[in-house]
Order: sequence, then C-alpha cells, then structure tokens
Amino acid sequence: EIVMTQSPATLSVSPGERATLSCRASQSVRSNLAWYQQKPGQAPRLLIYDASTRATGIPARFSGSGSGTEFTLTISSLQSEDFAVYYCQHYGNWPSFGPGTKVDIK
Amino acid sequence: EVQLVESGGGVVRPGGSLRLSCAASGFTFDDYGMSWVRQAPGKGLEWVSGINWNGGSSGYADSVKGRFTISRDNAKNSLYLQMNSLRAEDTAFYYCARGSASTTSGWFDPWGQGTLVTVSS
Repeated sequence: EIVMTQSPATLSVSPGERATLSCRASQSVRSNLAWYQQKPGQAPRLLIYDASTRATGIPARFSGSGSGTEFTLTISSLQSEDFAVYYCQHYGNWPSFGPGTKVDIK
Repeated sequence: EVQLVESGGGVVRPGGSLRLSCAASGFTFDDYGMSWVRQAPGKGLEWVSGINWNGGSSGYADSVKGRFTISRDNAKNSLYLQMNSLRAEDTAFYYCARGSASTTSGWFDPWGQGTLVTVSS
C-alpha cells in the first residue's frame, strides 16, 4: 500500500503571496499524481493530473511539479477564492489520498 | 454538462445496510471507470471502491472489503454501492467520481455533490 503524506498541515498566507504545498509518496508513483481543491461544503475539484498538467478551466497560477516520491503544488499569487484544503492523490491500481493541507488567510 | 448525482444516504443502525446510487449524465458512461470516495465529517478523503467500464473488475479499500459491493448498470447510466454490516466509522459523505480511464485507475473528475451516511444507534 502506498501512503501519501502532505506538508504542512496548515499554511497561512496573505493574498497575493506565493504558496508552496508538498506531497510525498512512500514509494515511487512515477507521475501518477493528482491535486484537488476542496472548499467547505463542496465536493473536491480536480486541479492537476499527471503531476503537472492543469485540468480544464484551472487558472495558470496553479502549477504542479515532481515525480517519483516528491511533488509540489504551487499557487503563484493567492486569490481570495484559493483559500481551501488541498489534497494530493496517487492513482495506481488502488488510489490513495494525502491528509490534506489547509491554506488559510494570514 | 457532465453531472453525477448521488442518492440513498441516510441514518442507519450499526449492523444495518444501505444502498447508494449515482446517476450519471452528460457523457458516455460506459467509457469510464467509476469510484466511490468518502469523507468523514471534518476529515480527509478516503477512496472506498472502484469499478472498470464494464463491471468486470473492481477493487476495495481494506476498511470495507467483504462488507461493501460496487456495481454499475450501463443501460441506466448508474453506479451503486451496497453497504452491509455498517459501523459507526462508516459515517461519512460518500462521493461518486468519474475516473480518467476505462479501468479502475486514474484521477477523479468530476465528483458528485455527495450523500451523507450516518451510522448510529
């Protein structure tokens, strides 16, 4: 079983600043990694797949990088609508999610 | 518009059963694998089960194996989750999600709005 971890658990950022979120896999998942955003009371929304490909309609301020076991989601300039919880997910035979990083207002 | 709508959630006693449904529209349902993902209130996401395009292959999280059964009816564009021997720890929002491929693997997009299952005496 592949275990996903995320850091930090909470990230406090001011609007307009850059946010860097990390995700680590317990073994290599190659580039089979996705990122999701979830706001309170809403279903998760796909942001990034294949580690670095933005999903349809996702703004360019969201970018993903990494491969193997280390991955990063970067939000270049935080907007008010970006304050949310972010999850990474590996998709092999049996998917699993990281515990999430909450991005809140500093 | 691609849409997934879950139904069937509710309150059930420990040891009881419940069947969730997910109605899909706006895409060719039998081109895609489908999954159920759950989220306990205030907690993170947990993949529960997935099924391939024709129902010939499925998988389960260890936490539900032997108690839950995933199925689909492509003629009705519907996904199901039969949940038996329910426990308090199964209390969660259950989301239906479309996979990115015809297999059980892949990323999930889109997701339904979720249906709440509460297991309590």
